[in-house]
Amino acid sequence: SQKIEQNSEALNIQEGKTATLTCNYTNYSPAYLQWYRQDPGRGPVFLLLIRENEKEKRKERLKVTFDTTLKQSLFHITASQPADSATYLCALDMTGGYNKLIFGAGTRLAVHP
Amino acid sequence: NAGVTQTPKFQVLKTGQSMTLQCAQDMNHNSMYWYRQDPGMGLRLIYYSASEGTTDKGEVPNGYNVSRLNKREFSLRLESAAPSQTSVYFCASSARTSEQFFGPGTRLTVL
Repeated sequence: SQKIEQNSEALNIQEGKTATLTCNYTNYSPAYLQWYRQDPGRGPVFLLLIRENEKEKRKERLKVTFDTTLKQSLFHITASQPADSATYLCALDMTGGYNKLIFGAGTRLAVHP
Repeated sequence: NAGVTQTPKFQVLKTGQSMTLQCAQDMNHNSMYWYRQDPGMGLRLIYYSASEGTTDKGEVPNGYNVSRLNKREFSLRLESAAPSQTSVYFCASSARTSEQFFGPGTRLTVL
């Protein structure tokens, strides 16, 4: 079955630095991959989607890469701010484009002033 | 424009009781989903509905039933609640191949 691995340990960084989060997957080649942000007690909020034929996607201070050979996505936040502190989830489409997603457990990011 | 709404926000049940979680979206999305989220396990898909009148099982459907009442509403029913169903339940909706919009969640405790 499909397995998604995100670093379960919290990532602590200083304000202004670049945060890099990793998402690794096995056993499947997803049509696309999504990243979500989740704050405590709230539902996930969509950030970025990257398709299998795209290497990189950017949105403001966010950048996502997708390496289908390594079966890995990296999520970068540049010039990080304390307000970026949250849990970040990656999710893969496992139905060839029908949007039935498998989620990773998420990585908690803490940005310190 | 409320997005995705869920009721109730909190619920405590005794083992064996039944209840229905309600979800509605006002974005005219065809697809709707029910997930549960447990500590350290991420979101797991319970059921989804690709369009009005259709439903299909996700990763963890046992102990649950769903109804896609119309395009806006998708309900999740626990017929006989068990302590293992203690969790946070999220409803989401989407267009076919795009971001999912999540509701605020229902925190369910089964004693």
